[in-house]
Amino acid sequence: DTGVSQDPRHKITKRGQNVTFRCDPISEHNRLYWYRQTLGQGPEFLTYFQNEAQLEKSRLLSDRFSAERPKGSFSTLEIQRTEQGDSAMYLCASSLSGTGNPRTAYEQYFGPGTRLTVT
Amino acid sequence: DQQVKQNSPSLSVQEGRISILNCDYTNSMFDYFLWYKKYPAEGPTFLISISSIKDKNEDGRFTVFLNKSAKHLSLHIVPSQPGDSAVYFCAATGAGSYQLTFGKGTKLSVIP
Repeated sequence: DTGVSQDPRHKITKRGQNVTFRCDPISEHNRLYWYRQTLGQGPEFLTYFQNEAQLEKSRLLSDRFSAERPKGSFSTLEIQRTEQGDSAMYLCASSLSGTGNPRTAYEQYFGPGTRLTVT
Repeated sequence: DQQVKQNSPSLSVQEGRISILNCDYTNSMFDYFLWYKKYPAEGPTFLISISSIKDKNEDGRFTVFLNKSAKHLSLHIVPSQPGDSAVYFCAATGAGSYQLTFGKGTKLSVIP
């Protein structure tokens, strides 16, 4: 049973370029989340999907950010016109809902993250 | 406004002793709380959780205590081991939302 995977693990880009990250959740998990973590802070919620529907978006998710989960499996997070303030670790997590056990719905399992550096 | 606070940035404990990590929250709508452990260059790893209908949950060496009236929870690790050295994050959720709100973390160092 594989965990959550993210690709790439590291990305260095120049200001103004577009970047796209991919997340593959745990295979049976129907919920997928994106978080961002900067140095000295805890992860901050960006958005989440249940199957292919995007159900919540944080106000941190500016219009330069877009996330998709086209077939309810993997997800992509795109940042357009990157800025130096976008430099952070981008974390993906997944969880399983619909089992009748609220515990499993709340417990999110994280991938290793994609570290973005904008120069 | 920080809704989940971990006021101790770091903690050092001798191997074999108890580690106590603390967390306070301000949002009374939170009803489920989780602890995560994070090693450098890895994502957070789920450790243990507790629902607001309980005041204690235990899993092996790890116990989480919840004091709803004080809006405070703590994670106890007994006995502490060098492999427990990591950053520990407290997280909370509730009010029909599934997003987790994290504290800033406490770096635990267990000294052999």
